[in-house]
Amino acid sequence: DGGITQSPKYLFRKEGQNVTLSCEQNLNHDAMYWYRQDPGQGLRLIYYSQIVNDFQKGDIAEGYSVSREKKESFPLTVTSAQKNPTAFYLCASRDRGVTGELFFGEGSRLTVL
Amino acid sequence: GENVEQHPSTLSVQEGDSAVIKCTYSDSASNYFPWYKQELGKRPQLIIDIRSNVGEKKDQRIAVTLNKTAKHFSLHITETQPEDSAVYFCAAHRGGNQFYFGTGTSLTVIP
Repeated sequence: DGGITQSPKYLFRKEGQNVTLSCEQNLNHDAMYWYRQDPGQGLRLIYYSQIVNDFQKGDIAEGYSVSREKKESFPLTVTSAQKNPTAFYLCASRDRGVTGELFFGEGSRLTVL
Repeated sequence: GENVEQHPSTLSVQEGDSAVIKCTYSDSASNYFPWYKQELGKRPQLIIDIRSNVGEKKDQRIAVTLNKTAKHFSLHITETQPEDSAVYFCAAHRGGNQFYFGTGTSLTVIP
């Protein structure tokens, strides 16, 4: 099955700890994205990557970091500098062709205790 | 940058009635407008989209209309069913890589 896999689905973290969320896709998509979803606020872009070894900050990048060492993988690290990290995180990918559709993973819910 | 506004934030309809969700955008260069449906705890999934060279598009019970002059687009769901209950997001895209999302509409279809 082609798709996007995020892990873990649920994650609990103590304050002051970094945590890394995994995102893997086998759709052969060039572009990958991380969004944060909070109640009533829609989807806000954290980081995106158009190709391997390149990524760009989105609207709310502070306190987050990413890497893109492989086309299939785009992990997101939520650092201790992120003031309010409890949220639902969605990874997405897109073919850079004409269609433009974003394909989303199932999401990871991070709770800071 | 682009600003997408979506209304209403919540919507309740009786089963069988129609539902309409409206979005406005600010950047006249935006040319692709997808709608996503997100069921509780699930991933958003594309349900319909429209490009700026088209005014209306239908797919069974759902349709999207676009008014480029007024910079707004709407999602129409007819003959609503309980399984239509979900959060719906609109988005605008102008090429490049950024999608700009609305804040979502929580639709409840009452049996």
